[in-house]
Amino acid sequence: DAMVIQNPRYQVTQFGKPVTLSCSQTLNHNVMYWYQQKSSQAPKLLFHYYDKDFNNEADTPDNFQSRRPNTSFCFLDIRSPGLGDAAMYLCATSRTGAGANVLTFGAGSRLTVL
Amino acid sequence: RKEVEQDPGPFNVPEGATVAFNCTYSNSASQSFFWYRQDCRKEPKLLMSVYSSGNEDGRFTAQLNRASQYISLLIRDSKLSDSATYLCVVTKPNSGYALNFGKGTSLLVTP
Repeated sequence: DAMVIQNPRYQVTQFGKPVTLSCSQTLNHNVMYWYQQKSSQAPKLLFHYYDKDFNNEADTPDNFQSRRPNTSFCFLDIRSPGLGDAAMYLCATSRTGAGANVLTFGAGSRLTVL
Repeated sequence: RKEVEQDPGPFNVPEGATVAFNCTYSNSASQSFFWYRQDCRKEPKLLMSVYSSGNEDGRFTAQLNRASQYISLLIRDSKLSDSATYLCVVTKPNSGYALNFGKGTSLLVTP
């Protein structure tokens, strides 16, 4: 089945220790997104890619970086995680054209910062 | 003002009840609108898109009022399995393919 896969599902890190979360997709969608969701809060868009075009949200901290080496993969790098970065990180994809903007999510990567 | 606002609830309703959720959005230039469902500790999943003329999918009906910048979701004949958080999602104009989420409305359907 075509899908969006996130790894790892659970990540525990120490304060300040860099973390990389990965996302892969077999849907061949042009657009890939990273959202941060804290408990009982809305998913917050960090950034998205349209093909290789990177779109950063104005309020996304510099501590968060992303790479998209090819259509299928996208990475979220948290350079120096703080306690406030503990959250579920959701990767999503969407197509352009017909059916645009409909998001398919991965199962998420839950980050704990000690 | 938040870009997408929802009443967080929770809404506690008995099985078989009809329940309605509301959502308002701040940018009148937004073009596309959706309702997603999120179960506890799971990822959001598309429930339905919202079309200008309103649309129905089984027990679910979505309405859009562009003049009031308001979206609604009506669930008829609630089932226990409808218990979840319902998220309103709106495209962000002039921002590529960005989509903003509301905080969600929590629904608990009880026997």
